[in-house]
Amino acid sequence: EDQVTQSPEALRLQEGESSSLNCSYTVSGLRGLFWYRQDPGKGPEFLFTLYSAGEEKEKERLKATLTKKESFLHITAPKPEDSATYLCAVGILTGGGNKLTFGTGTQLKVEL
Amino acid sequence: GAGVSQSPSNKVTEKGKDVELRCDPISGHTALYWYRQRLGQGLEFLIYFQGNSAPDKSGLPSDRFSAERTGESVSTLTIQRTQQEDSAVYLCASSTTTSTDTQYFGPGTRLTVL
Repeated sequence: EDQVTQSPEALRLQEGESSSLNCSYTVSGLRGLFWYRQDPGKGPEFLFTLYSAGEEKEKERLKATLTKKESFLHITAPKPEDSATYLCAVGILTGGGNKLTFGTGTQLKVEL
Repeated sequence: GAGVSQSPSNKVTEKGKDVELRCDPISGHTALYWYRQRLGQGLEFLIYFQGNSAPDKSGLPSDRFSAERTGESVSTLTIQRTQQEDSAVYLCASSTTTSTDTQYFGPGTRLTVL
């Protein structure tokens, strides 16, 4: 069965304190590893897609990496506005589509 | 340009009533997905539409759930005889093609069944 596990469930950081979020997965036929950010009361906002082991992508203070079993979202010198829930999902081919299986997310709080 | 829109943003209903949720995808996006997000759980895939092809309904939890889409436009998700366990946020996403393209999500509809 396809599974996505995110850790930690919650993370509190001081502003400027770098850290990493983990997403481990077991899936047959991976069609991309996706990272989204979700603010309270809103839909997920796309951050990154990674397709193959060794791939890395960066955006501002965020960097996503991928291995054959897991992905990391590195947050460098975070700011309070980075506070959100970060969701990881794997894409699984479904009759031509790309069904996403999500983890339960890491709730990040960045404090001054 | 405009993103994915959903209506209503909030819906409160009584157990046993039917509800209809609406999704307007990004213009030009051929693929449309519905997901459900229950409190403390990850998003769950419900159904997928691609153009005029038969939809993938493999994620629908029961026959009380159904969805329609006309061509590449609006989709409606209908829940009949709602139950309390149907309370969740229902999210719609669209993408340009079907294989690995990024899905862009709407703001969701929060459904509360009393």
